[in-house]
Amino acid sequence: EAQVTQNPRYLITVTGKKLTVTCSQNMNHEYMSWYRQDPGLGLRQIYYSMNVEVTDKGDVPEGYKVSRKEKRNFPLILESPSPNQTSLYFCASSPRGAERDYEQYFGPGTRLTVT
Amino acid sequence: AQSVAQPEDQVNVAEGNPLTVKCTYSVSGNPYLFWYVQYPNRGLQFLLKYITGDNLVKGSYGFEAEFNKSQTSFHLKKPSALVSDSALYFCAVRDNSGTYKYIFGTGTRLKVLA
Repeated sequence: EAQVTQNPRYLITVTGKKLTVTCSQNMNHEYMSWYRQDPGLGLRQIYYSMNVEVTDKGDVPEGYKVSRKEKRNFPLILESPSPNQTSLYFCASSPRGAERDYEQYFGPGTRLTVT
Repeated sequence: AQSVAQPEDQVNVAEGNPLTVKCTYSVSGNPYLFWYVQYPNRGLQFLLKYITGDNLVKGSYGFEAEFNKSQTSFHLKKPSALVSDSALYFCAVRDNSGTYKYIFGTGTRLKVLA
C-alpha cells in the first residue's frame, strides 16, 4: 500500500531530551516536508526537501533539524525540545513531474508533548 | 510574502444545502492554490488544486473551487452538503518560484447538520 509512515505516533518527553521522529514514504517521491499543526494556527511548514541531500527552511524551522540521506526517509530531529514544541506533527511527500508534483500525501501524524 | 486567510473558524450548513468555505490569498506572481481536508482523528487528504487553466476546478468527493484573480479568492464549494463532509478544511498556497514552500490557512471547521 502506498503510504507515508511516521513513528512514533505519540510521544511524551521532557525538556532538553533529544528526540527523532521518523518519516518514510514508499512511493518514490522526490519532495518531502514537515509541518506542525497547532490550534488556531493551522499547519505551518518546518522544513522541506526537494531531493536527497537538499533541504531548506519553511516558516518555522527554529529548534528543528532534518536530514535527507535517502530518498524514502526524512527524519525530524529536536536536539533540545522545549514545551513550545508540543504539537501535532505531519510529514508529507509528493512526486515531481508536470501536474503530479502538486498533491501532497500526508502521514498519520505524531502527537508530541514536551513537559 | 505569501499569505492565506480563512476568515471563518466554523461554517454550519444543513444537509442537502450548498456549502461555501472561503479562502483569500496574497502572493506575488501566479498562485498555486490547494484545498486539503482533515477528518477527525485522521491525516490530511488532498481535495483539489488550481495551477493554471479553467477558473473552476473540480476535485474529490464532489467538491469544487473557483479561482478569482481579481478578488484573490479561492472558495471551496459543494452543491449539496453531506453529514460526512463535516471536517476541518485547509486552504494552502505554494510558492511559485521553484521552491517547495507552502503556506496553509488556519483552517475552517465545517459542520453539516442532519
